[in-house]
Amino acid sequence: GAGVSQSPSNKVTEKGKDVELRCDPISGHTALYWYRQSLGQGLEFLIYFQGNSAPDKSGLPSDRFSAERTGGSVSTLTIQRTQQEDSAVYLCASSLASRENDEQFFGPGTRLTVL
Amino acid sequence: LAKTTQPISMDSYEGQEVNITCSHNNIATNDYITWYQQFPSQGPRFIIQGYKTKVTNEVASLFIPADRKSSTLSLPRVSLSDTAVYYCLVGDPRNYGQNFVFGPGTRLSVLP
Repeated sequence: GAGVSQSPSNKVTEKGKDVELRCDPISGHTALYWYRQSLGQGLEFLIYFQGNSAPDKSGLPSDRFSAERTGGSVSTLTIQRTQQEDSAVYLCASSLASRENDEQFFGPGTRLTVL
Repeated sequence: LAKTTQPISMDSYEGQEVNITCSHNNIATNDYITWYQQFPSQGPRFIIQGYKTKVTNEVASLFIPADRKSSTLSLPRVSLSDTAVYYCLVGDPRNYGQNFVFGPGTRLSVLP
């Protein structure tokens, strides 16, 4: 498809386990963003990639969170030793990152539930 | 990074025009104003973006006064399907190293 895709759509895990979330951006989009949204809340920015580089990782909630992007395309967000407070919808977005057009296109999200 | 302030919620009726105002007193010279719409269980969707004066597209208009310290998203003749959360963002498209703060948004409820 032509949109941003994320997998899995739902993930249920036990506290302490590691999880990996995947994002496939729109082809040609150089910028990729990860957000987290807790139930009924606004979006919390986590990290941004320009190409394969993430200039600022300070938005990641803790050192249990990491993200990488390879080939300027697919990105994975990894959460180690998951905690119940990590339960949320994790949204990925991509954009052309140009001054004329910086519209972010969002994926459907991954709903993470930590038991 | 410019902080934005929006009403938490608004109610309207079908067929009415809805105006949602966003305050951004610390907007910088190179910042643009962007509005997104989010339906339940979906990611946000871009509505409109502008820098100054007025921008109009097929779904909305964006009014930005000369001082740019606020902006108003205008939705003409809303329908039940416009019930959603609307987010206002302010930022410089050239500087993607900054955090994008969506904030709590405005929850619009359109009533029959």
